[in-house]
Amino acid sequence: GAVVSQHPSWVICKSGTSVKIECRSLDFQATTMFWYRQFPKQSLMLMATSNEGSKATYEQGVEKDKFLINHASLTLSTLTVTSAHPEDSSFYICSASVGETQYFGPGTRLLVL
Amino acid sequence: GESVGLHLPTLSVQEGDNSIINCAYSNSASDYFIWYKQESGKGPQFIIDIRSNMDKRQGQRVTVLLNKTVKHLSLQIAATQPGDSAVYFCAENTGTASKLTFGTGTRLQVTL
Repeated sequence: GAVVSQHPSWVICKSGTSVKIECRSLDFQATTMFWYRQFPKQSLMLMATSNEGSKATYEQGVEKDKFLINHASLTLSTLTVTSAHPEDSSFYICSASVGETQYFGPGTRLLVL
Repeated sequence: GESVGLHLPTLSVQEGDNSIINCAYSNSASDYFIWYKQESGKGPQFIIDIRSNMDKRQGQRVTVLLNKTVKHLSLQIAATQPGDSAVYFCAENTGTASKLTFGTGTRLQVTL
């Protein structure tokens, strides 16, 4: 099956620092990847669609300058949370498309102190 | 706006019984649906999918039923096992760049 990895699996950082999360498709190429955020006991909220070789498409209410997305290759998309604050603490999950089906990574737990 | 929702936030079933998790969707343009299972602290795991030109699809111990007339989707798990305990999400694809809209999720608790 389609395997998606994320790194790191968890990160703790100080307020004001930036954190980069990587999402990789391991056994397939993905022109489109997606970034989600999930708060405890809630559903997944789509943040942005990452397109290889072009700019990401952000959902309404998501600050593009705060959540920088780069999709430089067909197997790697990165999400950088810039100047992180405690309210950015969440579970960040990426997915990669195979046709219409999305396969998800294991998630990255971010805690901002 | 249009959304996908679930009727039951928590479902408790006894081991060995069958589980039925329901989902209502409101976008009649949705043509592809997926059920995901999410265990605590992990990413969602693909379970089964169904297209709008079908009303039933079976996998290993799971069956998805689609009723387009009432815009209802269900996931049936046969002989529920403790390992099935998780949160289950339905998701719909309206055809816009493979974007998925997720439901609120149902927690399945399997009791011994």
